[in-house]
Amino acid sequence: DGGITQSPKYLFRKEGQNVTLSCEQNLNHDAMYWYRQDPGQGLRLIYYSQIVNDFQKGDIAEGYSVSREKKESFPLTVTSAQKNPTAFYLCASSIDQGASNSPLHFGNGTRLTVT
Amino acid sequence: QKEVEQDPGPLSVPEGAIVSLNCTYSNSAFQYFMWYRQYSRKGPELLMYTYSSGNKEDGRFTAQVDKSSKYISLFIRDSQPSDSATYLCAMNRKAAGNKLTFGGGTRVLVKP
Repeated sequence: DGGITQSPKYLFRKEGQNVTLSCEQNLNHDAMYWYRQDPGQGLRLIYYSQIVNDFQKGDIAEGYSVSREKKESFPLTVTSAQKNPTAFYLCASSIDQGASNSPLHFGNGTRLTVT
Repeated sequence: QKEVEQDPGPLSVPEGAIVSLNCTYSNSAFQYFMWYRQYSRKGPELLMYTYSSGNKEDGRFTAQVDKSSKYISLFIRDSQPSDSATYLCAMNRKAAGNKLTFGGGTRVLVKP
């Protein structure tokens, strides 16, 4: 079964610690994305990557970092510089980032709680 | 003002009723319009995808786009308790690749 796997499902961290969220896809998609979802707000784009070893900042990249060393993997690091990191994080992929009509496929998210 | 506005709900309907959802937007450059369904603690899944104005039907779901009014709708006929979820609208511009702009989502409850 093809899909996107995010792990872990729930993550708890102390303030001041960096934390890395995993995202793996076996859909052979070129493009991958990280979104953040807060209650009552739309999904907001953090980072996206069109191809391996290349990625661009989204609308709310401050305090986050990513890498794309493999086509299948796009991990997100939430750094201590992110002022309000507690949120639901969603990873997505699409066949082609450049095509406006290439639908996004989402993973089931990681809920991060920082105290 | 947000680029895409969506009533957060909750919208509560009896089983079998028609569910009517909508989004308004301000950017006239949006050309691709999508509806996603999101169950609690899950990722969104694509329900409907339309380009420009008009209607699109898929089973119990109908999506409408009125670009002149900057208004999109999703109708769910013969609603079932399994339709209880949050529905997100999303849209993007032709030149923006796949950088979608999402509404905040409407929570729908279908009561048996």
